[in-house]
Amino acid sequence: QLQLQESGPGLVKPSETLSLACTVSGGSISSSDYYWGWIRQPPGKGLEWIGSFYYSGSTYYKPSLKSRVSISADTSKNQLSLRLTSVTAADTAVYYCARTIFGVVIVGFTPQNVLYGMDVWGQGTTVTVSS
Amino acid sequence: SYDLAQPPSVSVSPGQTASITCFGDKLGEKYACWYQQKPGQSPVLVIYQDTKRPSGIPERFSGSNSGNTATLTISGTQAMDEAVYYCQAWDTSTASYVFGTGTKVTVL
Repeated sequence: QLQLQESGPGLVKPSETLSLACTVSGGSISSSDYYWGWIRQPPGKGLEWIGSFYYSGSTYYKPSLKSRVSISADTSKNQLSLRLTSVTAADTAVYYCARTIFGVVIVGFTPQNVLYGMDVWGQGTTVTVSS
Repeated sequence: SYDLAQPPSVSVSPGQTASITCFGDKLGEKYACWYQQKPGQSPVLVIYQDTKRPSGIPERFSGSNSGNTATLTISGTQAMDEAVYYCQAWDTSTASYVFGTGTKVTVL
């Protein structure tokens, strides 16, 4: 049974870099069948997609976060990583990692990836940005 | 940026049908999915690729997507279905995922 577990510091100072890990068990992060994503949820608010990663290195990021975010993987540890630089109080949230179902569709004559849904989620880890 | 709008709340009586809508420009040309989130828990995918149910999701959950509106329908709503529901869609033009604003479903 696939399980995802987020980990990292619960407290980060403003202007510093937030670094989180998502350890995958019961499956491989190198699977060609899935993307792997990060999502966050500020206290009392809705869900926000941060970005998604494919084992080949292909990544997608939320446009408004693209300048500050980086997602990568350590296949030897079967871990997905998130780095978010120059954090502010607005980055305080529960951070989730999730496996993502995807497919390929032809748009015009160009194959494009389409992400269909996030079917397995971690339990989330709370990150507070405060001095 | 691409936005998805949902009504803040929907109320339904036990055993009745709840319909939760998600509005976005030409949403019917994209693939929508739906998540259920109960307090203090991680979201759970209940519908993906417009109409498909993941393994383990009850048949009372169904989805549709056409025009500018995707709809999640819960037939024979049960007390355990009380939760916040989020829609989501992949925007091919920006290669980004968008979540809806969320709808709180109350069963009373």
